[in-house]
Amino acid sequence: QSALTQPASVSGSPGQSITISCTGTSSDVGGYDYVSWFQQHPGKAPKLIIYEVSDRPSGVSYRFSGSRSGNTASLTISGLQAEDEADYYCYSYISAGTYVFGPGTKVTVL
Amino acid sequence: QVQLVQSGAEVKRPGSSVKLSCKASGGTFSGYAVSWVRQAPGQGLEWMGGLIPIYPTTHYAQNFLGRVVISADKSSSTVYMELSSLKSEDTAMYFCARGLTGDRLDYWGLGTLVTVSS
Repeated sequence: QSALTQPASVSGSPGQSITISCTGTSSDVGGYDYVSWFQQHPGKAPKLIIYEVSDRPSGVSYRFSGSRSGNTASLTISGLQAEDEADYYCYSYISAGTYVFGPGTKVTVL
Repeated sequence: QVQLVQSGAEVKRPGSSVKLSCKASGGTFSGYAVSWVRQAPGQGLEWMGGLIPIYPTTHYAQNFLGRVVISADKSSSTVYMELSSLKSEDTAMYFCARGLTGDRLDYWGLGTLVTVSS
């Protein structure tokens, strides 16, 4: 069982914006700037899309953005596209060099 | 371009151990954080542990303490993950990943499927 919570699924129409939440505690999401988001398509390895709460790796679309308020981190996908249909996982530093993934959110493009 | 090349699929008996490898091709692990992450069929991602090969300290998730050992061979740019006392629930795809920091895992291997079955 994950120490982080995410909605099981989020859906949206092409062009819309959606937001995925990741709720933890002050001991993980709210306590450190080491919160990341990964995208995973079926049968593929995860792909880093956000690190350190809101930074985007080179080559990742500007349509992906990250933020945090208190103990909840959020991933927003703007201008939703068919290729964005995937599973999304938040990932946070806990303590003593250890990390934890959220349970994942399935994004469906209607 | 860095590629993480993982060892091939394994089939193991319950109670046995498995040792997987992850080699950095076209790059190195030196100074980078390397993590092992697994994914059971139809399930989510699970962080198992990690290390930075130039430092002696390795970190493990609570769920795997005592059962997993992660090590590195700097000379061959290879990181290993050994999981012991295998159970059927350990059947999963095992990924290695590299990043500048433990949260910034921007290079991933393709994964190694481990099947535990009697």
